[in-house]
Amino acid sequence: AQTVTQSQPEMSVQEAETVTLSCTYDTSESDYYLFWYKQPPSRQMILVIRQEAYKQQNATENRFSVNFQKAAKSFSLKISDSQLGDAAMYFCASTQTGANNLFFGTGTRLTVIP
Amino acid sequence: DTGVSQNPRHKITKRGQNVTFRCDPISEHNRLYWYRQTLGQGPEFLTYFQNEAQLEKSRLLSDRFSAERPKGSFSTLEIQRTEQGDSAMYLCASSLVGSGRHEQYFGPGTRLTVT
Repeated sequence: AQTVTQSQPEMSVQEAETVTLSCTYDTSESDYYLFWYKQPPSRQMILVIRQEAYKQQNATENRFSVNFQKAAKSFSLKISDSQLGDAAMYFCASTQTGANNLFFGTGTRLTVIP
Repeated sequence: DTGVSQNPRHKITKRGQNVTFRCDPISEHNRLYWYRQTLGQGPEFLTYFQNEAQLEKSRLLSDRFSAERPKGSFSTLEIQRTEQGDSAMYLCASSLVGSGRHEQYFGPGTRLTVT
C-alpha cells in the first residue's frame, strides 16, 4: 500500500509571492506517478501537475512546479506569483503503474492574502 | 468536451433510506472510479470500473453499497439503509487507460447528509 503525508494543514501567502507546499510519500514500488490536485471551496477537484517517478526532471506547468526528490520520497509543490484564485485545498496523491486508484494526503488549505 | 458530471449535487436523506447517485464520465474514458471524501480528509477509494466490469472494491465498500456501470457509460452508486456515518462527499472520476498518463479527472461530487 502507499501512504501520502501532507504535514501542513494550512498555509498562507501574500498575493504575487511564492509558496511551497510539502508532501512525502511511502511506496515500495519503483514505478509510480505523483500528482497535485487543487480543490477550490465548493468546487470540483482539478489536476494541477503530474510527475512520473522515472523522470528526473521536475515537472512544471506555468506558475506551478514541483521539487521531486525520489530518494527522500518528497514531492513539494511551488506556486509562483500567487493569485487570489490559487486559494484552495491542495491534495498530493500517488498511484502505482498498473494500479487502479489514487492515494491522497489529507490536504493543505492555502489562503492567498491580497 | 464536457467534463465528469454527477447528480444530484446534494442529497439529504433520513437514516435507513436508500439513495442512488449518478456519474457521467468523460465520453472517451474507459475507467470510472468512485471515492468518498469526509470533512478534512482526502478522497478515499471505493471502487472502479473498466468499461462495464467492476474490477476492484475497497474494504470501505460495505455490503450496503453497490455500484453499476451498465454498457460502460454512466455509473450509479447506491447506498441501502443509510447510516449517519455515510454522510460524506461522494466523488466520481474517470480516466483513459492506455494513454500512459494515469491521471484521473474528477466530477463535482454529490454531498450526502444522513439525518
